[in-house]
Parts: sequence; C-alpha cells; structure tokens
Amino acid sequence: GAGVSQSPSNKVTEKGKDVELRCDPISGHTALYWYRQSLGQGLEFLIYFQGNSAPDKSGLPSDRFSAERTGGSVSTLTIQRTQQEDSAVYLCASSPRQGIGVGYTFGSGTRLTVV
Amino acid sequence: SQKIEQNSEALNIQEGKTATLTCNYTNYSPAYLQWYRQDPGRGPVFLLLIRENEKEKRKERLKVTFDTTLKQSLFHITASQPADSATYLCAPNNAGNMLTFGGGTRLMVKP
Repeated sequence: GAGVSQSPSNKVTEKGKDVELRCDPISGHTALYWYRQSLGQGLEFLIYFQGNSAPDKSGLPSDRFSAERTGGSVSTLTIQRTQQEDSAVYLCASSPRQGIGVGYTFGSGTRLTVV
Repeated sequence: SQKIEQNSEALNIQEGKTATLTCNYTNYSPAYLQWYRQDPGRGPVFLLLIRENEKEKRKERLKVTFDTTLKQSLFHITASQPADSATYLCAPNNAGNMLTFGGGTRLMVKP
C-alpha cells in the first residue's frame, strides 16, 4: 500500500482481556518495528522484524506481549491479560532495510485504552 | 545507561524567526541520527538523517548538525511558519540498529 496501515485505530478493552493489534507495512519493506507511546511520553521500542531473521524482542515489557510477522508482511502484536498500564498508542513502522540508516515510515497508531 | 535528552519545555517563537531544537545523548556513539516530526494523533514523520561523518545536512528550510564530540545534534528551521508547529523527535540509532527516540520538543510558531 501507499503507507503503513494499522488497525484498529482505537481499541477500548476491559482489564484482563486479550487484544490483537495489526500492522500492514509498505509493500517490499523488509524491516518492521513496533513502538508504544504513553500519553505525553516518548516512543518506547518493543520489537522489530527483519526479513526472515529471528525478531529482536528485547523491548517487550513482559511475557504478556508477543508479536508475529507472517510471510514477511503483516504483523500482529498481541497483549494478553491486559492491564491499565498497557494503555498507550501502539505505533508500527517499516523501512526498506534495517541497520544502515534508513528513515522509518510510521502508521497512525492504535490507541489502546484498558478500562 | 543510554540517555537522549530533548528540551521537554515547549519552544515558542515568532513566525519568520529561526527555531533551534537541541538533542543531547550520553553513553553511546550512534552511527547516525534521525529527526522526525509528530503532529497530535499521528505517527512520526521522517525528516532528515545525518551520519556520524557528516557535520551538517540541509533540506529546504531545515538544517541539522551532528557533533559527535559534544554528543549533540541541533535541528534548525529557518523562516518558521505556523504550519511548522509540531513536536520534533530526535532518534540516534543504538547498537541494535533500531532507533531510540528522545522525548521530543514541542515547537509553537505564532503568527
């Protein structure tokens, strides 16, 4: 597509429920990143995928968080047993390649609210 | 630990003036640094990338400097316009080569 697409744009969920957030990167971009941004805060790295390599999961805050990328394209971030502190905007970005200084293209994010 | 510092206070300037935003980093040596613009409710938008062997980079009204000795990058917008009002994020790469973002500085350009 023309840009990075994320869905849903907004999600309200009850504490303890599981949620899935989807990211559709730019076609042909091999690198895909997930960040989250809490209200008034900076971007916190969560995970990235590069081609067929094992993902770097070093930013995932707990084992309730997981992500996968199927077929080198669409990615899903899953949060199990959501907590109120998980409320944030979850941003996905993609880039043509990773590691040599290429600008990221971000989606508009999914605003997650845990009530 | 690695730290990226941007002025958390908003920068208010008059239209037509030059805005200068600062990004300081500690405890690592990035090979490159990127600047992004973020508007409310939107994802960041890539503006400029500067590499460690470059002192300065320009794009239209934007200029970025990168001083690896001072561990600092400066971001300038000349002839600023109200439409330039946004939050600007600096992002040095880290050892894992993903970007680490500063907290951003909000710029307000008044007509």
